Amino acid sequence: DAGVIQSPRHEVTEMGQEVTLRCKPISGHNSLFWYRQTMMRGLELLIYFNNNVPIDDSGMPEDRFSAKMPNASFSTLKIQPSEPRDSAVYFCASSSGGELFFGEGSRLTVL
Amino acid sequence: ILNVEQSPQSLHVQEGDSTNFTCSFPSSNFYALHWYRWETAKSPEALFVMTLNGDEKKKGRISATLNTKEGYSYLYIKGSQPEDSATYLCAFDSGAGSYQLTFGKGTKLSVIP
Repeated sequence: DAGVIQSPRHEVTEMGQEVTLRCKPISGHNSLFWYRQTMMRGLELLIYFNNNVPIDDSGMPEDRFSAKMPNASFSTLKIQPSEPRDSAVYFCASSSGGELFFGEGSRLTVL
Repeated sequence: ILNVEQSPQSLHVQEGDSTNFTCSFPSSNFYALHWYRWETAKSPEALFVMTLNGDEKKKGRISATLNTKEGYSYLYIKGSQPEDSATYLCAFDSGAGSYQLTFGKGTKLSVIP
């Protein structure tokens, strides 16, 4: 299996621009997670989907952030408009129960 | 907000030394405790998922213990090797099946050849 696939690996954008991060979970996994990693706060859960349905989005920082999972093999995390404080590494992870399998992350820099 | 603390924050050891570090978590509403190994420029990989008080798990030279009553887990590495250099993360799961994982900030281990 290819594992969890994220794109882009790196994104540099200017403040105010829309950013879309993409994730393909491991086939057969019914749970998908978006995490944000920063030096200050470590790994924070942004949103969690189960069977494509958002279960808990209490970690989404504000209305500028949105996430969708239109089918079992694809999810997006969108930031619009982006701000410099959104600069971080965004991880997608999937699971079928128990341990999480992480993608390699998308490093976002907002100038 | 759940408090998951890891100590030390960073650690330098000589190759061949054994080492251990700690994860402390709330002792109530415990469901599982995860350990992940995170190498630089890679993604975190699961080492152990522990659910039972007193549980001890082992993978090669790495082992972990769990005390849910007092809210701590230890990770041990025997005979550290340079390839063990990584950040070790623990994550507390408080909800059965709900995956409410709260991660600690990790212990960064550097093994000096």
